[in-house]
Amino acid sequence: AQSVTQPDIHITVSEGASLELRCNYSYGATPYLFWYVQSPGQGLQLLLKYFSGDTLVQGIKGFEAEFKRSQSSFNLRKPSVHWSDAAEYFCAVGAYGGSQGNLIFGKGTKLSVKP
Amino acid sequence: KAGVTQTPRYLIKTRGQQVTLSCSPISGHRSVSWYQQTPGQGLQFLFEYFSETQRNKGNFPGRFSGRQFSNSRSEMNVSTLELGDSALYLCASRTQGADYGYTFGSGTRLTVV
Repeated sequence: AQSVTQPDIHITVSEGASLELRCNYSYGATPYLFWYVQSPGQGLQLLLKYFSGDTLVQGIKGFEAEFKRSQSSFNLRKPSVHWSDAAEYFCAVGAYGGSQGNLIFGKGTKLSVKP
Repeated sequence: KAGVTQTPRYLIKTRGQQVTLSCSPISGHRSVSWYQQTPGQGLQFLFEYFSETQRNKGNFPGRFSGRQFSNSRSEMNVSTLELGDSALYLCASRTQGADYGYTFGSGTRLTVV
């Protein structure tokens, strides 16, 4: 069965430090992979997505993610974290069959940023 | 262009009542999906509609239902509300074709008392 695992429930980093959020997926076919961010009380905002091609994907707000098929991972990175990056981050895999589909989400990683 | 609009933003209902939530997708998006978000279960897929037809359904009881209108707007209904239905309900829309990325609305926070 398809699944997404985000091993870290909560991460705290200092402002200006680098960030890596981990995501591992289980999916039989070539996955469609996404990272979303959610601020308190808000919906989900798409940071970046991977469908095919270059395994290093650039997103908004200075984020990037690298798809590693051999490790079934799609980790999110940012070289220098800003206080406004404090939020919850969700990794998702798109379970598509033909034209229909849905997203399967990980449990999320809450990011705190200390000054 | 306008994003995905969900109404109302907040709702308080009593156990046993029913509730209807509304979602207007991005103009041109014909696929609308619904997700339930709770602290315990996380984000779970409810159902997906395309051209007024339900194409895909998650593992939720029959009390949860939805529909889509000809203008792609969608509603979801929960009957006989239970305390466990308290959640943030998120609607998402997408285009067809190669781009499978979903755009989410801000959600409706439902509290059942």
